[in-house]
Amino acid sequence: DVKVTQSSRYLVKRTGEKVFLECVQDMDHENMFWYRQDPGLGLRLIYFSYDVKMKEKGDIPEGYSVSREKKERFSLILESASTNQTSMYLCASSLSSTAAYEQYFGPGTRLTVT
Amino acid sequence: SQKIEQNSEALNIQEGKTATLTCNYTNYSPAYLQWYRQDPGRGPVFLLLIRENEKEKRKERLKVTFDTTLKQSLFHITASQPADSATYLCALGEGTGRRALTFGSGTRLQVQP
Repeated sequence: DVKVTQSSRYLVKRTGEKVFLECVQDMDHENMFWYRQDPGLGLRLIYFSYDVKMKEKGDIPEGYSVSREKKERFSLILESASTNQTSMYLCASSLSSTAAYEQYFGPGTRLTVT
Repeated sequence: SQKIEQNSEALNIQEGKTATLTCNYTNYSPAYLQWYRQDPGRGPVFLLLIRENEKEKRKERLKVTFDTTLKQSLFHITASQPADSATYLCALGEGTGRRALTFGSGTRLQVQP
């Protein structure tokens, strides 16, 4: 079974802090994704990565950066957290970018910025 | 602009009935479409994938249809059970270029015993 783990289930940070969210997958998947989910807005893609050190912006990359130094790990960084970044953050992975594969999601991190 | 629409209102049905959820899209040319289930406080879980050249896909009590002319997918759960209560998300994949899916906002299904 594919397992996607996220470093924290709940996180509370102050405005202006630098925040790191980590995601690890254990099935050698090429693709990894970061989404945020807000009521009524659904899942919105922040960034994705299709290979180590490769990344592409999603629909809402502003205020975020990512890092993928190893294939199994994909980190989301909030350089200076703001209250409008309070949300549920979901990481996902999929096998390959060359075909249509399902995404496997982690349990999510509920981030509150005060 | 591109849009994926799922009924934002919850769907309430009686146990044993067939639940039908709708996913409509505009200004997309999806190569495939996926359906996911999400329980409160958890990440989505993949259910089914259907490609543009497939009209219908089945898996146990689940059935998905894909009509590229109507720009619509229907997701059916037959003989529904209270355990089927969850939010169901559709997601489009455009096949080339962009490697990511675009998700709808989901429809909450409540199956009453």
